[in-house]
Amino acid sequence: AQKITQTQPGMFVQEKEAVTLDCTYDTSDPSYGLFWYKQPSSGEMIFLIYQGSYDQQNATEGRYSLNFQKARKSANLVISASQLGDSAMYFCAMREPRGYSTLTFGKGTMLLVSP
Amino acid sequence: KAGVTQTPRYLIKTRGQQVTLSCSPISGHRSVSWYQQTPGQGLQFLFEYFSETQRNKGNFPGRFSGRQFSNSRSEMNVSTLELGDSALYLCASSAGTSGSLMEQFFGPGTRLTVL
Repeated sequence: AQKITQTQPGMFVQEKEAVTLDCTYDTSDPSYGLFWYKQPSSGEMIFLIYQGSYDQQNATEGRYSLNFQKARKSANLVISASQLGDSAMYFCAMREPRGYSTLTFGKGTMLLVSP
Repeated sequence: KAGVTQTPRYLIKTRGQQVTLSCSPISGHRSVSWYQQTPGQGLQFLFEYFSETQRNKGNFPGRFSGRQFSNSRSEMNVSTLELGDSALYLCASSAGTSGSLMEQFFGPGTRLTVL
């Protein structure tokens, strides 16, 4: 069964606008971690933001914030004030304790930022 | 602090050959995970090593193997290469011990092409 679902294959946004990338997840474990990674065309996975299942507040890192809705099992990434350099693939991933360090990734969303 | 390094960055091999990829984690990190990324299957977990022991393995054939050395550096080996093994192989390191949900940091990847 698919554990991470990213329903948006591609998203377009104009520079300086905000954009939300969707992610839903499925787990029966009460303890888990949710991650967002950015992958530019060079291939390297760049860690953006982390949300723990027990965290009370939504995670924020600069222009990135995670809209965590635990009951709905969603962990959407919000990028404020998009920049041209934000154009990349974005992956949502989940890590469960019993999986040790294993990350389960979604299929990704390609974000294109236009001038 | 140096990031995760992977060598080589690019490899071209022919069917039937074998290949060894190397990954040096961030200093102090004891967990190394390997992932395969292809356009069709996305990002898939291969295996994870922690303190020289494989503690988790994905659903890949026995042609894929790995090991970790006492300095936490890891190698993965693919024997009897097939065309379908062409992929970006990503290594990730984590400081986490068993059950930890700390983030993983990825290397730039090794792009393997099998002809």
